[in-house]
Amino acid sequence: DAGVTQSPTHLIKTRGQQVTLRCSPKSGHDTVSWYQQALGQGPQFIFQYYEEEERQRGNFPDRFSGHQFPNYSSELNVNALLLGDSALYLCASSPVGGGEDTQYFGPGTRLTVL
Amino acid sequence: LAKTTQPISMDSYEGQEVNITCSHNNIATNDYITWYQQFPSQGPRFIIQGYKTKVTNEVASLFIPADRKSSTLSLPRVSLSDTAVYYCLVGDEGTGFQKLVFGTGTRLLVSP
Repeated sequence: DAGVTQSPTHLIKTRGQQVTLRCSPKSGHDTVSWYQQALGQGPQFIFQYYEEEERQRGNFPDRFSGHQFPNYSSELNVNALLLGDSALYLCASSPVGGGEDTQYFGPGTRLTVL
Repeated sequence: LAKTTQPISMDSYEGQEVNITCSHNNIATNDYITWYQQFPSQGPRFIIQGYKTKVTNEVASLFIPADRKSSTLSLPRVSLSDTAVYYCLVGDEGTGFQKLVFGTGTRLLVSP
């Protein structure tokens, strides 16, 4: 049983470009959350998707957008990249109503903006 | 969501017991306490969760006093591989809809 998977592992972009990160949730999970983790900091919540809709959103600008597909996989899109967007982007999945009180995290995508 | 306070870092040696205390003075009645472990360039991994008194699993124990304003994660007989950042989180027991709020965590360094 595969856990949460993310692609790509690493990515290098330049300022102003756009990037798309991908996440496949753990089998049986239908809720996907995205987090940004800057170096030396804890993860910060970006947004959460359930039933292909954004349910919650953290304090991130509209440059950050997402999508969830019918198979529960998800994408995170960031437009007009800034140097400060360099971070580890984490995807976490969880089941709805299944009694699990935790989220399972993927290995993350390391984004470097030059 | 209740704010948590943890030590920035801790040092230990292999074979010792490590106790990391987290302060959460404004914890709400419905809040649970959850600890995550994170290795460099990896996602956080759930360790343990509790509401009151003591919880134990194969990895750690979690001690929560009656007033629930603090909690202590106990790692028995640590090894070098326990070197990681440990996060204490407080929030509603959710069904997956939780917006996890991480602080800066405690960096544990285990030396030979």
